[in-house]
Amino acid sequence: SAVISQKPSRDICQRGTSLTIQCQVDSQVTMMFWYRQQPGQSLTLIATANQGSEATYESGFVIDKFPISRPNLTFSTLTVSNMSPEDSSIYLCSVEGTANEKLFFGSGTQLSVL
Amino acid sequence: QQQVKQSPQSLIVQKGGISIINCAYENTAFDYFPWYQQFPGKGPALLIAIRPDVSEKKEGRFTISFNKSAKQFSLHIMDSQPGDSATYFCAAPPFSFNTPLVFGKGTRLSVIA
Repeated sequence: SAVISQKPSRDICQRGTSLTIQCQVDSQVTMMFWYRQQPGQSLTLIATANQGSEATYESGFVIDKFPISRPNLTFSTLTVSNMSPEDSSIYLCSVEGTANEKLFFGSGTQLSVL
Repeated sequence: QQQVKQSPQSLIVQKGGISIINCAYENTAFDYFPWYQQFPGKGPALLIAIRPDVSEKKEGRFTISFNKSAKQFSLHIMDSQPGDSATYFCAAPPFSFNTPLVFGKGTRLSVIA
C-alpha cells in the first residue's frame, strides 16, 4: 500500500486568496489524482496529474482555478485560487495501487473559506 | 461516463444488527468493485473489494454480495458495532484505462448501543 502525506491538514482562508496543498507519496507513482469532497457529499475528481505533462481536468474544473504541479513521481501540489466560500471542502490526494484498483487516499485538507 | 447509485443515504442500526448498503452501476470494462470507509477528518480507506468471478466475498464481519446480471453489489456488516459508524462509499471501475474509480454518493452509518 502507498502512504500519502498531505498538508496542510486544515486551513481557514480569506475570500480572494489562494492556498496550495501538497501531496507526498512514499513510492513512485505514474498518476496522482486530486478529489474534492464537499460537506456531506461524495468524492468528485478534479484532475489527474501525470509527471511531465499537463494535468487533465474533469468537466467543471479549470486550470486557472485549480493549477496543479507534478514535478516528480512522488510529489504534487494543487492550488485553489481566488477562493470563495463555495470552495470550502475537503481536498484529497490519491494514487492507484495497481491499474484501476485500490485507490489510496491521503487524510485530506479541510479548507474553510470565510 | 460511469454512474454509481448508492442507497440508502443514511442508516441507523442497533448494535449487533446487520447493516446493508446497496450500489448499482452501469456498464464497465473492468471487474473490480471496492467499498471504502471514511471516518470524520480522515481520507477514505479501502475496506473490502470483490471481483465478479465470485458472487460473494467475506472478510470478518464485512461481506460483499455481487449480482453481475443485475449490475448491483451490496455491503453487509454483520454484528454492527459503534466503531463501524462512518461513511461508506461504493465504487465502480471506469469505462477506460487511465481514469480512476467512480464513487457513489456515500452512506452515513450510525450504530447505536
